[in-house]
Amino acid sequence: SQQGEEDPQALSIQEGENATMNCSYKTSINNLQWYRQNSGRGLVHLILIRSNEREKHSGRLRVTLDTSKKSSSLLITASRAADTASYFCATDGRAAGNKLTFGGGTRVLVKP
Amino acid sequence: GAVVSQHPSWVICKSGTSVKIECRSLDFQATTMFWYRQFPKQSLMLMATSNEGSKATYEQGVEKDKFLINHASLTLSTLTVTSAHPEDSSFYICSAIRPPITDTQYFGPGTRLTVL
Repeated sequence: SQQGEEDPQALSIQEGENATMNCSYKTSINNLQWYRQNSGRGLVHLILIRSNEREKHSGRLRVTLDTSKKSSSLLITASRAADTASYFCATDGRAAGNKLTFGGGTRVLVKP
Repeated sequence: GAVVSQHPSWVICKSGTSVKIECRSLDFQATTMFWYRQFPKQSLMLMATSNEGSKATYEQGVEKDKFLINHASLTLSTLTVTSAHPEDSSFYICSAIRPPITDTQYFGPGTRLTVL
């Protein structure tokens, strides 16, 4: 079942702007991960944040996690046309073992 | 890095035929692989967990006789869509866990199945 919900469902921005997307989930988690998917392709792992972490950075990516609100955000700074893709959050629930449950995804379009 | 491949990348078949999709971990041994299904503009839905040497564990609502999974070696899992119908048309993606890291899955590029 899909426990994650993401918003917005779609986002259109100009190159150079920042893109922010949010993910909410329902059950307790071990960690939360963000993936990118280019159209018709597989998923690329972007970043993993553990349940005891609140913020994590990787290059132009910034992820926050608020376990009290069961939500996470992904910020892409100084976006580029190559960032155009769908972004998914995925949770690894404590009762789910290694199984991931994906959110609905945010489709990001970065216009040059 | 951890590379996962899938073959074929796309396949078109006639209704009623069976199609086999392969998922390989190229540079590591994967004791666990996962199979997902993705409809256009939708998210990934986990179909089953494939463990080497044992029967696959299917998610609720996934027909195990329809989607046969075999994980015969530490580098290969196969998904066979039996008696395919147009509603089985979808994007099938596999992923693998690379021990000792178990909380990150490495995804294959996906297989686009179209059933006519």
